[in-house]
Parts: sequence; C-alpha cells; structure tokens
Amino acid sequence: AQSVAQPEDQVNVAEGNPLTVKCTYSVSGNPYLFWYVQYPNRGLQFLLKYITGDNLVKGSYGFEAEFNKSQTSFHLKKPSALVSDSALYFCAVRDQGNTPLVFGKGTRLSVIA
Amino acid sequence: DAGITQSPRHKVTETGTPVTLRCHQTENHRYMYWYRQDPGHGLRLIHYSYGVKDTDKGEVSDGYSVSRSKTEDFLLTLESATSSQTSVYFCATKGQDNSPLHFGNGTRLTVT
Repeated sequence: AQSVAQPEDQVNVAEGNPLTVKCTYSVSGNPYLFWYVQYPNRGLQFLLKYITGDNLVKGSYGFEAEFNKSQTSFHLKKPSALVSDSALYFCAVRDQGNTPLVFGKGTRLSVIA
Repeated sequence: DAGITQSPRHKVTETGTPVTLRCHQTENHRYMYWYRQDPGHGLRLIHYSYGVKDTDKGEVSDGYSVSRSKTEDFLLTLESATSSQTSVYFCATKGQDNSPLHFGNGTRLTVT
C-alpha cells in the first residue's frame, strides 16, 4: 500500500528566505509524486509532478521539488518565499497501474513579511 | 477550476437524512474522484470512477455510495447522514493516466 508523510504541520519562514516543505513516501514500485497547494475556501491546485527523468522538477510559481529515491523523499522548495505563498501544501503519491492518489495530511506554510 | 462545478457549495442537514452531492465537469475527463478533507487527516479518498458506470471504493467508503450515469456527472450519496460525515467534500477529475488531478471548489457539509 502507498503512503505519504508530511512531518511538519506548520512551517514558518520570513519573506525572501528559502523555504522547504518536506515529504516522504512509501510505494511498492516506482513512485508518481505530486505537490498541490490549497488557498482558503478553494480546491487544490496542481504545482508540479515527478514521473520519471530529472530528479529536480520545476513547477508553477517558482516552486521546485527534488526527488530522492534513496531517502524516499520529495521535498518542495522555493529559493525566495513570498507572503502570497502562504497556504496549505499537500504531497501525494501513487504507484504504477493508475491507482488513485494518496495524499499527505498537509503542511501549512506561513510566510511572514 | 478546469470546468468542475460542485453543488451545493454549502449544506446543513440532520442526522439520518439522505444527502446527494453533485460534481459536474465540462472537460470530458475519464476519471472522477470524491475526497473528503478533515483537519489532521488531509484528503481521503471515498470513491472513484474510471468511466461511465465503472466505480470503485476508496479508503473511507463506508456510508457512501456513488453513481456515474454519464461522463460529466459524478454523484456522491450519503444514504443516512451521520455527524462523522461532517466534512468538506472535494470532487476531482483527470483526463489521462499521468495527468494531474483537477479539483472543484468543494462542498461544505454539516450534519447536525
């Protein structure tokens, strides 16, 4: 069975500083990994995905994520945080065979001016 | 987002009553999903569909049923609502196997 862990419920970072939101996963085969963002009273929005290829994936709004197979991690990063990045972030995984996505519990990012 | 409409957006109902939530999409996506979002649990899959009249159970399917009689509509029914089903319900769709999910804006359901 596949699973995702987001070890931090809350991440606080000052505007302009780099940010990292952590994600580790467990799947039986090769992972398909996704990051989503949720703003208040809205549905989730897709940020980026890793299917295969380069371990560093670039996505929307300047976000990127690094796939690390040995550490089974897929951390979300951004070089310089904006106040507008404050939101709830979800990591999700599925294995091969087009099984449904399994989501982590979410990490609330707060960027302080 | 991506032509997904959930209705109603808000609903308050009493314990024991049946409730149906509707998801309508205009993207002709093959796959459709119902998730619930609860504090401390993230998103959990209730049911999903991989085509008209093809559905399957998710992680938290007890007390819920679904129907998909046409591509654009995916209905979630709570046969007899309970307070534990108070939640925010999200519909999502996907066109191709490796495509990301597109989400609706959610239905906030309160069972009193």
